[in-house]
Amino acid sequence: KQEVTQIPAALSVPEGENLVLNCSFTDSAIYNLQWFRQDPGKGLTSLLLIQSSQREQTSGRLNASLDKSSGRSTLYIAASQPGDSATYLCAVPAKYNTDKLIFGTGTRLQVFP
Amino acid sequence: DVKVTQSSRYLVKRTGEKVFLECVQDMDHENMFWYRQDPGLGLRLIYFSYDVKMKEKGDIPEGYSVSREKKERFSLILESASTNQTSMYLCASIEDRGTDTQYFGPGTRLTVL
Repeated sequence: KQEVTQIPAALSVPEGENLVLNCSFTDSAIYNLQWFRQDPGKGLTSLLLIQSSQREQTSGRLNASLDKSSGRSTLYIAASQPGDSATYLCAVPAKYNTDKLIFGTGTRLQVFP
Repeated sequence: DVKVTQSSRYLVKRTGEKVFLECVQDMDHENMFWYRQDPGLGLRLIYFSYDVKMKEKGDIPEGYSVSREKKERFSLILESASTNQTSMYLCASIEDRGTDTQYFGPGTRLTVL
């Protein structure tokens, strides 16, 4: 059974730092991996989707990498800003039902001025 | 842009009441999902639907039912609300199964007293 783990659970950093958020999964046979952002009390916003054939995806200050063989993905946030404060979730499709996403429990990020 | 809307942001109900949570998407997606999100447990899939009048159980369907009479609308029903159903409920939709990102609504915070 696929399990998704995110470390750390919470992170508090000063503005301007470069950050790395980690996501690990137990079954490497995945179709893709997604990173989402969730603001407090709100829904999820998709940030990046990496297909299984890709090694990384970039969007602005965000870069996500995928290493299927080791069961890991990282989300790199460059030059963090207070507006980046949110919970970041990674998710992978279930093996036999690819519409069903299995989520990690998230990393709560706070960037202070 | 895909838009997924949910009928209420906040809802307070009493134990035993019948509760309807509505979700509407405007991109003609065939696939729609209902999740609940609880601290420490992450997002868990309740039900999903591949097409009108079709539904599939997710991981935690007990105490819930769904209705998909029109393609754009997916309703979650709590037949007799209980306090352990107090949670954040998130609706999502997807266009291409297995390769596309899921688009989430803003969430409904349900409190059952």
